[in-house]
Amino acid sequence: EPEVTQTPSHQVTQMGQEVILRCVPISNHLYFYWYRQILGQKVEFLVSFYNNEISEKSEIFDDQFSVERPDGSNFTLKIRSTKLEDSAMYFCASGENRVGNQPQHFGDGTRLSIL
Amino acid sequence: AQKVTQAQTEISVVEKEDVTLDCVYETRDTTYYLFWYKQPPSGELVFLIRRNSFDEQNEISGRYSWNFQKSTSSFNFTITASQVVDSAVYFCALSEWRGYNFNKFYFGSGTKLNVKP
Repeated sequence: EPEVTQTPSHQVTQMGQEVILRCVPISNHLYFYWYRQILGQKVEFLVSFYNNEISEKSEIFDDQFSVERPDGSNFTLKIRSTKLEDSAMYFCASGENRVGNQPQHFGDGTRLSIL
Repeated sequence: AQKVTQAQTEISVVEKEDVTLDCVYETRDTTYYLFWYKQPPSGELVFLIRRNSFDEQNEISGRYSWNFQKSTSSFNFTITASQVVDSAVYFCALSEWRGYNFNKFYFGSGTKLNVKP
């Protein structure tokens, strides 16, 4: 079964540094998402992306964050000038554009630790 | 208001006991999907089941079963004869149809299940 893959699995970064989290969605999917889960809390929506632009973003997704699909296969989340509170698990997801029977496919996540 | 409520923060059972995890959702849409995910200590989200709003049939998969009741907006998950390997955090989630795509997921706050030997 096709999978969403995320790299790296764990990223440790100094506060203030920029970090890029990478995702390879399922190849025929057109909708892409990032979610965040602070340790011990629920999974929260960050942003959705379709047709090379953001379709929706949450209040968490401020100017510090950006997303990009640079080459038609990768989907990246960039966090500029990271803060301690950005430490979390970040999940990428992709989906199809129809009422189908497929679940929204999540990657295994990138655990981001800000020091 | 919360779209998905999992009132049970943490449940502890002894192995072989049955356990039910509750999920109550809120939506005005007629077309939506409900999901359950398992999150083991390693952190990934493991898909367990999806159910669309037009299918209220209950489902059984091995030791797992799901009870979907639109009348009470609930989608409860039962593990029969629990095992230590079932210990994890379980999340219920809702996704609403937007006419062109399913919208983002709304997750509940999760229920941590501890199964003791």
